[in-house]
Amino acid sequence: DAGVTQSPTHLIKTRGQQVTLRCSPKSGHDTVSWYQQALGQGPQFIFQYYEEEERQRGNFPDRFSGHQFPNYSSELNVNALLLGDSALYLCASSFGPMGTQYFGPGTRLLVL
Amino acid sequence: RKEVEQDPGPFNVPEGATVAFNCTYSNSASQSFFWYRQDCRKEPKLLMSVYSSGNEDGRFTAQLNRASQYISLLIRDSKLSDSATYLCVVKNGIGGADGLTFGKGTHLIIQP
Repeated sequence: DAGVTQSPTHLIKTRGQQVTLRCSPKSGHDTVSWYQQALGQGPQFIFQYYEEEERQRGNFPDRFSGHQFPNYSSELNVNALLLGDSALYLCASSFGPMGTQYFGPGTRLLVL
Repeated sequence: RKEVEQDPGPFNVPEGATVAFNCTYSNSASQSFFWYRQDCRKEPKLLMSVYSSGNEDGRFTAQLNRASQYISLLIRDSKLSDSATYLCVVKNGIGGADGLTFGKGTHLIIQP
């Protein structure tokens, strides 16, 4: 039973660039939530996707956008990267928006 | 005031000892509560849900006090493998979608 997978594992970008991160949910799950975890902090909720729609959004600017595909996988896009966007980006999947969330290993993004 | 507050530690505890953490949350409408464990450079993993009646899972006991908006985790007979960061997590469940709100985590070091 495959767990949550994310790609790439690591990424280095420069300021102003754009990045796309990918997530495949755990088998049987249909909901994907994205989180940003800065060093020394707890994860912060970015947004949640269910039925290919953004259902809830945390306190993140419009530079952060996402998409969910019919197979329930999801992408997180960040435009106009800032140094402060350097973080571990975590994807969590669940069965339904209210289900228990299970996390993937994350993508480490470094913005130079 | 932060939504979920935890003592960041570190808590340095000898192997075999009992250790307790707690956290407070600010949103009285919060509906679900969890403890997640995060090892260094890894993703958070669900340790246990927290119920109003209190619940136990082996050496771990979680308690919730809704009146005081306080959550606790007790670890008995601590093992070296318990060394990790413990994240207090609250779910508000508003609008049918569910982003998790994390504390910054409490760092636990079990010493031989």
